[in-house]
Formats: sequence, structure tokens, C-alpha cells
Amino acid sequence: GIQVEQSPPDLILQEGANSTLRCNFSDSVNNLQWFHQNPWGQLINLFYIPSGTKQNGRLSATTVATERYSLLYISSSQTTDSGVYFCAVGGMYSGGGADGLTFGKGTHLIIQP
Amino acid sequence: DVKVTQSSRYLVKRTGEKVFLECVQDMDHENMFWYRQDPGLGLRLIYFSYDVKMKEKGDIPEGYSVSREKKERFSLILESASTNQTSMYLCASSPGTSTGANVLTFGAGSRLTVL
Repeated sequence: GIQVEQSPPDLILQEGANSTLRCNFSDSVNNLQWFHQNPWGQLINLFYIPSGTKQNGRLSATTVATERYSLLYISSSQTTDSGVYFCAVGGMYSGGGADGLTFGKGTHLIIQP
Repeated sequence: DVKVTQSSRYLVKRTGEKVFLECVQDMDHENMFWYRQDPGLGLRLIYFSYDVKMKEKGDIPEGYSVSREKKERFSLILESASTNQTSMYLCASSPGTSTGANVLTFGAGSRLTVL
């Protein structure tokens, strides 16, 4: 199956800093999502982005499908951005995620005041 | 907003007990999923379902079964709980590729401890 690698595994920043999280995947995908897991365990969908670029406030994401990677940018970090960020993909040959997404191990982000 | 509701936030069970984890979604989604999340291992797919009474094994189905008698409800069953099933269990649903993007929406999770 598809392999998903996220980097860095851990990131500690001061409030106001910018950050870039990376997701590499091993095969063609037609579904890619970024999630934020808050300290209470709830996973929130940030972006559905199998290709191209999207922005939502201080967050933006870019997926370059031909090169098999995606980036999540967080600008002007706030303490509420802390948590774990997951990248999850659905392969071209697995119904685009209809039979489940494969998750990376996540990036644990801590924003210090 | 799509809502995925998991019946229990925290459960403590004893080894050998039968455990039911319930999940209900309210947006007529076709697909439903059960994942477990463990430190250092990320999220792993246990079972999923395309439709009522349909079920498919995910990556780690051993020790689990599922039931989908109604479209909105997907239950995870541990027939005889063991300590290595202590974990966070996450239910998710998605609309299905026939209706567009297969965006997963998750419930709040059920943290199960087996003693």
C-alpha cells in the first residue's frame, strides 16, 4: 500500500512564527487531506487538496501530485494551533479514499506564548 | 455541518468482556470507517463499510467485528476485549465518490481502557 511520511515529527515554535509541514507519499493519489488533532483528540479536516493550492485564513496548503508531496503552511502561529497535524491520502487504485485513507504519523506542533 | 457522534467518550472494561462502540452520522453518508490511534503508530484502519450490511476489512481487523444495519450507524465490536486493544477509537464517515470529494469527517473519539 501507499506509504506516507511526514516531517518534521516534532516542532516547537514561539507565537507569531511561521511553519511549513511536509507530507511525502509513495504513489499516485486522488485524495489528500490535512487534519488537525486538538489536545482533546478531535480530528478536524483542514484541507481536501489532492492537487493545487488552497488558503484558509492563516493556513494554506499546496500539493504537487506529480512529485508526490504536499505542504501545509501556518503563518503567524497562535497557541491554539498546537496539536498534531496529519496528512492522509487515498490512492488512485483504492477508490480515492472510499476504502479509507492512509495516514502519516503526524507532526506534533507546540506553539509557546 | 456533518456530525459524527460516538456514543462513549471514555470506557473502562475488563479482559474478556464484550465491548460495543457505537457511531452515528447525520448526513446520509455512504461510507463509514473505524480507526484506532496509538502513540507512535498513527491512525490505522480497522474496518470500513460502503453501504448498509456491507463491511470490508481494513489493515488491522483481527479481534474486531462490525455491524451496519442502518445507513447512519456503524458499530465496532470487540468480542473478547484484551489489554492490547486499549486505544483511542475514531469513527469517520464520507459521502462517497459518486457524490464528489471523499472528505472524511471524524467523531470525537472513544478512549477504551481494558484492564
